[in-house]
Amino acid sequence: AQSVTQLDSHVSVSEGTPVLLRCNYSSSYSPSLFWYVQHPNKGLQLLLKYTSAATLVKGINGFEAEFKKSETSFHLTKPSAHMSDAAEYFCFYSGTYKYIFGTGTRLKVLA
Amino acid sequence: AAGVIQSPRHLIKEKRETATLKCYPIPRHDTVYWYQQGPGQDPQFLISFYEKMQSDKGSIPDRFSAQQFSDYHSELNMSSLELGDSALYFCASSPPPLLSYEQYFGPGTRLTVT
Repeated sequence: AQSVTQLDSHVSVSEGTPVLLRCNYSSSYSPSLFWYVQHPNKGLQLLLKYTSAATLVKGINGFEAEFKKSETSFHLTKPSAHMSDAAEYFCFYSGTYKYIFGTGTRLKVLA
Repeated sequence: AAGVIQSPRHLIKEKRETATLKCYPIPRHDTVYWYQQGPGQDPQFLISFYEKMQSDKGSIPDRFSAQQFSDYHSELNMSSLELGDSALYFCASSPPPLLSYEQYFGPGTRLTVT
């Protein structure tokens, strides 16, 4: 069965330092994977997507993610955190009639 | 760029009442999805429609129903509301072809049941 696991429920980084949000998936099929960001009391904004093209995917606001089939991972990174990055981040699997969110990672950015 | 529109943005209902949430997908998107996000939880898939037909069903209670109309907008009808139905309800839309997988989310409707 397909599943998505976000390994950290909370991540704290200092402003200007790298961000790493981890996501592992389980799927018998080639997955389509996405990262969404949700600011407080806001909707879900698409950051980036992997749909079996390039394994290194660049998204908005300087975020990128690398699809690693051997590790079944799709970790989200950003070289330098900004205060405005503080939000909840969701890894999302979308497949044939399966739509699964991870449990979310709350990113805190310290000044 | 046009986004997914949801109305109303906020809704307060009492127990046992009914509620109708509306979703207007991005133009030329033919697939609509509904999700429920409880407080502090991840969104859970409820139901989806493709070309006005139900394409998949998730954890949608029997008290809820939905449909997609000829103009592709969708409505989620919720009856006999319970306190536990209080949540943020998201609609998302996808462009063709079916199974393009990419979903664009609306801002959500926050439903409070008192």
